[in-house]
Amino acid sequence: AQSVTQLDSHVSVSEGTPVLLRCNYSSSYSPSLFWYVQHPNKGLQLLLKYTSAATLVKGINGFEAEFKKSETSFHLTKPSAHMSDAAEYFCVVSGSSASKIIFGSGTRLSIRP
Amino acid sequence: DGGITQSPKYLFRKEGQNVTLSCEQNLNHDAMYWYRQDPGQGLRLIYYSQIVNDFQKGDIAEGYSVSREKKESFPLTVTSAQKNPTAFYLCASSKNSATNEKLFFGSGTQLSVL
Repeated sequence: AQSVTQLDSHVSVSEGTPVLLRCNYSSSYSPSLFWYVQHPNKGLQLLLKYTSAATLVKGINGFEAEFKKSETSFHLTKPSAHMSDAAEYFCVVSGSSASKIIFGSGTRLSIRP
Repeated sequence: DGGITQSPKYLFRKEGQNVTLSCEQNLNHDAMYWYRQDPGQGLRLIYYSQIVNDFQKGDIAEGYSVSREKKESFPLTVTSAQKNPTAFYLCASSKNSATNEKLFFGSGTQLSVL
């Protein structure tokens, strides 16, 4: 069985400070892991994905995530937040079939000027 | 430009009415998906199709129906049996049904009940 838990429903940071969005997963085998971003009333866009090639994954817009098997975590980070980063972020784990793509409940990121 | 087009952007359903949400892609993708998004929740899978003329139920298929007669199109019908249809509906596609493939999403349809 697979599951994914996003530990914070809402994160607020000041512009120019680091961003950390936390994600823990559970999987009975090596999973593929993704982060997607959703701006208001829009579809989701892929930020980055992990598929076992490298544990540190770099994505678009300066985001990156590190796969830590021992901690079953895949946290999303960015060194310096920008106002345009304000959005909903989803951590996703995928398994053995198309029906086993599991979305986390999302983390809303707010950026303070 | 290649992508996924969902229409309409907003849709209102009357009691006892069936409504159909459109999803078209020109990415030449084999796999297509329908998700439902409720506020504060993640996406839940309604139906998916791995290839033309084939589709499978997802986690919350009751009250919904789909067809996949053409590779480019995967319309979703919300039937009167769906008692709580108000939600944001997202269509997605991927190159194939391998689970490490990225999903491409449309811009969504907001369905509300009158």
